[in-house]
Amino acid sequence: NAGVTQTPKFRVLKTGQSMTLLCAQDMNHEYMYWYRQDPGMGLRLIHYSVGEGTTAKGEVPDGYNVSRLKKQNFLLGLESAAPSQTSVYFCASSRGVTGELFFGEGSRLTVL
Amino acid sequence: AQSVTQLDSHVSVSEGTPVLLRCNYSSSYSPSLFWYVQHPNKGLQLLLKYTSAATLVKGINGFEAEFKKSETSFHLTKPSAHMSDAAEYFCVARSYRDSGTYKYIFGTGTRLKVLA
Repeated sequence: NAGVTQTPKFRVLKTGQSMTLLCAQDMNHEYMYWYRQDPGMGLRLIHYSVGEGTTAKGEVPDGYNVSRLKKQNFLLGLESAAPSQTSVYFCASSRGVTGELFFGEGSRLTVL
Repeated sequence: AQSVTQLDSHVSVSEGTPVLLRCNYSSSYSPSLFWYVQHPNKGLQLLLKYTSAATLVKGINGFEAEFKKSETSFHLTKPSAHMSDAAEYFCVARSYRDSGTYKYIFGTGTRLKVLA
C-alpha cells in the first residue's frame, strides 16, 4: 500500500546544479501538487497538476519546473539550484471530489 | 483574501490533560476544512475533515474538531493527551480557484509538546 512515494529522500546540491524530484502515486488521483515547507511558513504551493499533461503555477513557482507525462507521476525540476531553495519538498495527491490530500514523506534538499 | 490562522505556534500540555489547538479561517463561504498531523521527519497525515455534514467531526487517535460558522473556527481537541501526540499540527482550508479547480490554504502550524 505505497500511496505517494518521493525520491530521493535526501539530496545535497551545489549552487547552479540541476536535479529532479520524482513523485509517484498509485491511487489513480487526478490532482497532484508540489509544496515546499520552511520553518514558520507552513506549506507553500510550488506547482500543481489537475491531470495528465497539465500543469499550473502555485504561489512560489520561480526557479522550478514540473512535468506530468503520466497520470501517476509528477516531476519537480530545479534547473539551476540556489541556496534559497534549501527546503523540505512534499508531493501530494488528491481525488477532487473528496478533497483529502495524501502526502509523501518528503524530500530534504540542501543547496550549498 | 482567504486565509487560515492558527492562533498558537506552540502549545505545551501535560500527559493526560486536554488538548486544544485553535484554528480560524476566513472565507466568504463555508470551505472544506482539515486537520493534519506531522511527526518529525514524516509527511502530513490526515486527522479529520469537515465537508459540510456534521459540525462535530471525529478523527483518528481520539481527536475531534467542531466547525463553528459564526466564529469561523475549527478548533482541534482531545480529552487526554498522550506522549505520542507530540507533533506539529496543521489546519487546512480547501476552496475553489477562479479556474474551477481546488486550492488548499495551510495554517503555519502548531507544535504540540506533551510533558510527562
